[in-house]
Amino acid sequence: QLVESGGGVVQPGTSLRISCTASGFSFKSYGMHWVRQAPGKGLQWVALISVDGTNKYFGDSVKGRFTISRDNSKNTLYLEMTRLRVDDTAVYYCARGYGYAVDAWGQGALVTVSS
Amino acid sequence: SDELTQPPSVSVSPGQTATITCSGEAFRKQSASWYQQRPGQAPLLLIYKDNERPSGIPERFSGSTSGTTVTLTISGVQAEDEADYYCQSADSYGTWSMQFGGGTTLTVL
Repeated sequence: QLVESGGGVVQPGTSLRISCTASGFSFKSYGMHWVRQAPGKGLQWVALISVDGTNKYFGDSVKGRFTISRDNSKNTLYLEMTRLRVDDTAVYYCARGYGYAVDAWGQGALVTVSS
Repeated sequence: SDELTQPPSVSVSPGQTATITCSGEAFRKQSASWYQQRPGQAPLLLIYKDNERPSGIPERFSGSTSGTTVTLTISGVQAEDEADYYCQSADSYGTWSMQFGGGTTLTVL
């Protein structure tokens, strides 16, 4: 099970950190992703972190603004979002990596960027 | 371009077969995955590695590939299959970056 938390309403230009707590599987053994979905739109991949946190990959739209991290001792995945823009408004899903796919998804955390 | 292109919508009658295509240069080198998303729910993995089904996914969902086009086929469509469907691949360069198609809304008439 994957449970996201920390979503909310923030102003443009500010920062926010969202979290994802995993249970029921060996969290430390899986690469983990963040995928977002703007209201009424499709899925957009955001970031991936390797099992030990040493390798990180980001989508072009968030590169340089977002950071992904994990704490395997707490079974928790993080997404630190800075310089937020109105077009970052979306439901943010954490998802478990399975090869080049993702095989488990959380229910999502809504992040709204608005003045 | 590394885009994945899907038709916006597909309609089918109950019991018929629905086919949803996804085109992109990435599929020359990378495998495809497919996800189902019902309204208000998180996506669900239906197909990975072009044609593999995770446990619990009915056999009526199948995937195939030909050149730069991959296809999701749903046989014996049921009302509960009405949902959005997304294809996905790694990028053409073999990195761990992912990309999704724009999504196809399946309507069961």
